[in-house]
Amino acid sequence: KAGVTQTPRYLIKTRGQQVTLSCSPISGHRSVSWYQQTPGQGLQFLFEYFSETQRNKGNFPGRFSGRQFSNSRSEMNVSTLELGDSALYLCASSLTGSQYQETQYFGPGTRLLVL
Amino acid sequence: DAKTTQPPSMDCAEGRAANLPCNHSTISGNEYVYWYRQIHSQGPQYIIHGLKNNETNEMASLIITEDRKSSTLILPHATLRDTAVYYCIAATNTGNQFYFGTGTSLTVIP
Repeated sequence: KAGVTQTPRYLIKTRGQQVTLSCSPISGHRSVSWYQQTPGQGLQFLFEYFSETQRNKGNFPGRFSGRQFSNSRSEMNVSTLELGDSALYLCASSLTGSQYQETQYFGPGTRLLVL
Repeated sequence: DAKTTQPPSMDCAEGRAANLPCNHSTISGNEYVYWYRQIHSQGPQYIIHGLKNNETNEMASLIITEDRKSSTLILPHATLRDTAVYYCIAATNTGNQFYFGTGTSLTVIP
């Protein structure tokens, strides 16, 4: 079974631009989460989607948004990019995200550099 | 989710067992202990998880104390490819919201 895939793997943008990242979960997984990883803050939870609805949200500004499609694929968007948005963005999927014994599986990440 | 405490770094000789401790003294009854590792700039890799019984899989063993306030991840025969940052997480995994903490940087020495 194929793992979580993320595109693109690398991205360079300039301040003020916007960016859209894509995540395809493991086949059959319906819960998708997004994380941001920076050297200073570590791995931080952004949000989680299930059945095309945002179910949980971390402590990030409204410039960070996402959506999920009916096939469970998810996108996240960052508008008005700032230098501090440079990070590794990770996507994770699990079956439903609502069972205690479930496991999240992570993709390879998208590395975003904002200049 | 309960906070976890891990030593920032550890060394282990190649071929020996690596024992990585984790303290989760505020863990609640429905929180599982998960272990992930992250090799430089890659996505975190799932290793193992458990609730209160010891668990073993092809990668590692997880030993959880009876009071569930701490656990130890054991890599039985460490190799150079096990060099990574290891994260211990105590979570219910409802909503897939994990708090990763700073983890333990394990270096396997030849």
